[in-house]
Amino acid sequence: DAKTTQPTSMDCAEGRAANLPCNHSTISGNEYVYWYRQIHSQGPQYIIHGLKNNETNEMASLIITEDRKSSTLILPHATLRDTAVYYCIVRGGGGADGLTFGKGTHLIIQP
Amino acid sequence: KAGVTQTPRYLIKTRGQQVTLSCSPISGHRSVSWYQQTPGQGLQFLFEYFSETQRNKGNFPGRFSGRQFSNSRSEMNVSTLELGDSALYLCASSLEDIGWNTEAFFGQGTRLTVV
Repeated sequence: DAKTTQPTSMDCAEGRAANLPCNHSTISGNEYVYWYRQIHSQGPQYIIHGLKNNETNEMASLIITEDRKSSTLILPHATLRDTAVYYCIVRGGGGADGLTFGKGTHLIIQP
Repeated sequence: KAGVTQTPRYLIKTRGQQVTLSCSPISGHRSVSWYQQTPGQGLQFLFEYFSETQRNKGNFPGRFSGRQFSNSRSEMNVSTLELGDSALYLCASSLEDIGWNTEAFFGQGTRLTVV
């Protein structure tokens, strides 16, 4: 069963911030939230992950709600190269199923 | 540093044959996972190896197998190929158990076509 729910697709104007939501209402206390993206025909690319605190790196920011039931990935200044499928995954150590990728969100950056 | 290397990049095989795919993880990474990606099923977990031991296995038939060597390089094998095995096979490496506060890095994949 999918542990996360994401919109199927989203549009964002180039140069604007892209905010990608993810619901994970059944997340356990030891599960991390991971974000990956996949550009057509390439391997998935790691973006960011977090447990409960907000995280930021050179690619994006991750905002996790206080109850940890949802999160938002923020790409601060989207470019055309950010067009990809974005996957939100919850995973704790010792699980039996690797990374469970759902359908993801197809983010299209419009010029 | 070098990323995850998968060979070959493209492969065409005939139904009934077997195939071996190779994955070289990032230096120092001990965990290697394999995934199958098809248009219909998306990305599906095949198995994970850590220090030469298979730790987790996805819901795939026994025709799919793998192994990991002492240098952390991994191979996966598919025997008695079926048309439905046509897919992009992806390998990911990570320092520790995938998901345990550690990120996984993916290779570019091997595109297998079964005819």
